[in-house]
Amino acid sequence: AQKVTQAQTEISVVEKEDVTLDCVYETRDTTYYLFWYKQPPSGELVFLIRRNSFDEQNEISGRYSWNFQKSTSSFNFTITASQVVDSAVYFCARYSGGGADGLTFGKGTHLIIQP
Amino acid sequence: NAGVTQTPKFQVLKTGQSMTLQCAQDMNHEYMSWYRQDPGMGLRLIHYSVGAGITDQGEVPNGYNVSRSTTEDFPLRLLSAAPSQTSVYFCASSLMGQGNGYTFGSGTRLTVV
Repeated sequence: AQKVTQAQTEISVVEKEDVTLDCVYETRDTTYYLFWYKQPPSGELVFLIRRNSFDEQNEISGRYSWNFQKSTSSFNFTITASQVVDSAVYFCARYSGGGADGLTFGKGTHLIIQP
Repeated sequence: NAGVTQTPKFQVLKTGQSMTLQCAQDMNHEYMSWYRQDPGMGLRLIHYSVGAGITDQGEVPNGYNVSRSTTEDFPLRLLSAAPSQTSVYFCASSLMGQGNGYTFGSGTRLTVV
């Protein structure tokens, strides 16, 4: 299986610090999609962003930004001026098509924002 | 729209018991899937379906059965529960193709004792 690796198991920062969550993916496909999901303590999975393999433009949404680099197979997520409400587990995922591959998740990064 | 509805939210089973986790979506999505989430393991695909009458195995299918008789419903059956099946289960649906984002249900926390 083509893996998605989130090497950071847990990150703890103080509120207002910037923090970057790393994601490295494997793929043999030309066309694929990358996602980030947030799982707050309440347990639901919240969709944050989707990027396709043909669009390497960085994306910014408020305090969130994403850096997609095909050359390094990375799709990193940065939170600027972190807040306690950002505390959650964040999952990176890759989609190359339907079927057994489906949406393949990394193991997640637990982000703790301390007040 | 209700999105993806999972029931029950919590369940405790004894080893050997059977049960069905329900999943229903009202978005006319062709693709539906079941994932399990275990600590430190992320989400792993159990079974998936690309349409009514079509199902197939994912990464961790052993101990689970599925069927898809309608577009809306995709139940997950545990025929003889084992402690190793203690997990949080998520159902998800999406439109086929184009890497459309998945819509997830709120999850079922299952404990097998």
